[in-house]
Amino acid sequence: DADVTQTPRNRITKTGKRIMLECSQTKGHDRMYWYRQDPGLGLRLIYYSFDVKDINKGEISDGYSVSRQAQAKFSLSLESAIPNQTALYFCATSDLSAGVGETQYFGPGTRLLVL
Amino acid sequence: DAKTTQPPSMDCAEGRAANLPCNHSTISGNEYVYWYRQIHSQGPQYIIHGLKNNETNEMASLIITEDRKSSTLILPHATLRDTAVYYCIVRVLNRDDKIIFGKGTRLHILP
Repeated sequence: DADVTQTPRNRITKTGKRIMLECSQTKGHDRMYWYRQDPGLGLRLIYYSFDVKDINKGEISDGYSVSRQAQAKFSLSLESAIPNQTALYFCATSDLSAGVGETQYFGPGTRLLVL
Repeated sequence: DAKTTQPPSMDCAEGRAANLPCNHSTISGNEYVYWYRQIHSQGPQYIIHGLKNNETNEMASLIITEDRKSSTLILPHATLRDTAVYYCIVRVLNRDDKIIFGKGTRLHILP
């Protein structure tokens, strides 16, 4: 079973619709992240959370919101989707281990198309 | 975090060693070098990290220059499945901050 799962894996929606992308993890990590990836570009950070009560904006948070419902769940919402939010979205988790540092574990991605 | 510079793309023949360079000339003393890779449209995968000593694991080797201003990721016997985008990142160990990915190097393994 995958440690980090994302639902849905693919989604087509229309401009102006509200949609939610969900991420769940079974690794027991405190830290969770949402990234988007556009063709030819690297990953860009949208939001991140270091524990259930902590939410932080990333590089490109405008037009997005998040909810950390539990340690294992981190949802990304597009309140009113627009076509330039068409992208591949990744959720990631990480934890700090003394002497080892932080490595991230990524989900399989959600491909979103906004018409 | 210090910025990194990587070539946008590289080719390597299957079975040969793939050597991926990364420049991080402004790296500070407490920043580690991390490498991730992303196979087409999949989530990035952690490969290896190090501070100043060379590191090796089952996936790759990491060579860091003595002045720590550059490093090289080595895939000893590249296969077609190693075709991916490789990201070099520098950041402080256990720092309470986000990880920022750049554009990486697109590695093509040629049959």
